[in-house]
Amino acid sequence: QVHLVQSGAEVKKSGASVKVSCKASGYTFTDYHMHWVRQAPGQGLEWMGWINPNSGGTNYAEKFQGRVTLTRDTSITTAYMELSRLRSDDTAVYYCARENWYYENWGQGTLVTVSS
Amino acid sequence: DIVMTQSPDSLAVSLGERATINCKSSQSVLKSSNNKNYLAWYQQRPGQPPEVLIYWASTRESGVPDRFSGSGSGTDFTLTISSLQAEDVAVYYCQQYYNGPRTFGQGTKVEIK
Repeated sequence: QVHLVQSGAEVKKSGASVKVSCKASGYTFTDYHMHWVRQAPGQGLEWMGWINPNSGGTNYAEKFQGRVTLTRDTSITTAYMELSRLRSDDTAVYYCARENWYYENWGQGTLVTVSS
Repeated sequence: DIVMTQSPDSLAVSLGERATINCKSSQSVLKSSNNKNYLAWYQQRPGQPPEVLIYWASTRESGVPDRFSGSGSGTDFTLTISSLQAEDVAVYYCQQYYNGPRTFGQGTKVEIK
């Protein structure tokens, strides 16, 4: 059974960075791209980017280019999303999602709160 | 980028009645080489992550009740809940995975009338 377990909630100051982890189990980690999607309070779903855990190759949404970095550690089957230069409008729940064309599995979400 | 537009934004349906949600893409998400529509539907209950209901526009995910069905092709798609149950109160999103940035509709909130 596939599980994606994310790290806990974070509170950050404006201008800081945050790094969220996503621990994968129940499947071969390097066989599926991992995507990151965020959801601001009361809002819809916004795609941020993906990482190929096999090659480390990435693709980022234009909106986040230069601020987001996706990485992985295959030895511990964990993907990471780091967002820098945080602003108040980055306050959101951040999800990792395993891609099998569509998003077959989702992490439980990590709330990142940015305060000034 | 492909823009996904859902309608309505919200709807209230009586228990046991039919709920219908529409999704329109700004360009076709049908790949002619394999005749597949690269479209999925997700359900997000309050305080929970989204869960896939339907993929390839009409294939029901394992474990999803058969009251949920997806239809449509090209640019116009529909999610139907044939007999609304209390546990179906949620926001529903369509998403294209045809090309470029993965884009979602704005969501449709389904409530009990």
